[in-house]
Amino acid sequence: QKEVEQDPGPLSVPEGAIVSLNCTYSNSAFQYFMWYRQYSRKGPELLMYTYSSGNKEDGRFTAQVDKSSKYISLFIRDSQPSDSATYLCAMSRITNAGKSTFGDGTTLTVKP
Amino acid sequence: DVKVTQSSRYLVKRTGEKVFLECVQDMDHENMFWYRQDPGLGLRLIYFSYDVKMKEKGDIPEGYSVSREKKERFSLILESASTNQTSMYLCASSGHQGSPNTGELFFGEGSRLTVL
Repeated sequence: QKEVEQDPGPLSVPEGAIVSLNCTYSNSAFQYFMWYRQYSRKGPELLMYTYSSGNKEDGRFTAQVDKSSKYISLFIRDSQPSDSATYLCAMSRITNAGKSTFGDGTTLTVKP
Repeated sequence: DVKVTQSSRYLVKRTGEKVFLECVQDMDHENMFWYRQDPGLGLRLIYFSYDVKMKEKGDIPEGYSVSREKKERFSLILESASTNQTSMYLCASSGHQGSPNTGELFFGEGSRLTVL
């Protein structure tokens, strides 16, 4: 079993929809939680970073971490065609924070 | 603007050739990483380095070696390329000395290697 499982997708939504992207994990030592966005043929770029449990908002994006359930989510409000990309969740431990474990990614298409 | 630069975006090599993938970062980061990305397998860590001349194996180091002679440069070497090493290779960096290492990674654009 993988340490990090990500909803596989693909997801296709109309412009303006609310999108929910989700990951579960098994290692309770994870303390740092990241979301990356990867456009086709590009490297991943860091979108959101959260430490421990709670919510973090940045514009149309909200990252949510529930450590009791070992569940993280990324919400995108008012989705735009430019949000079409693959989204990767990642997490790491305090003692080895440089070494992240990634989900396999969810590909999102937002249709105009 | 922070930057991780990978020397080659696309390479085509023949089986048995020696392949060098170069990565340079301009953020004075302590840590550098090489991942490969394959459909259905996600990102897998090949090697990483926490300091100059130091290296540690990741999850799939077989068939690869690395070199970090300078802080800003991390090279991935395929001693004898094989077809199963056809992949997208991603370099990343993170962390400043004296600051908590939170795991946030800054990636390059990737090097797509095809081994024939």
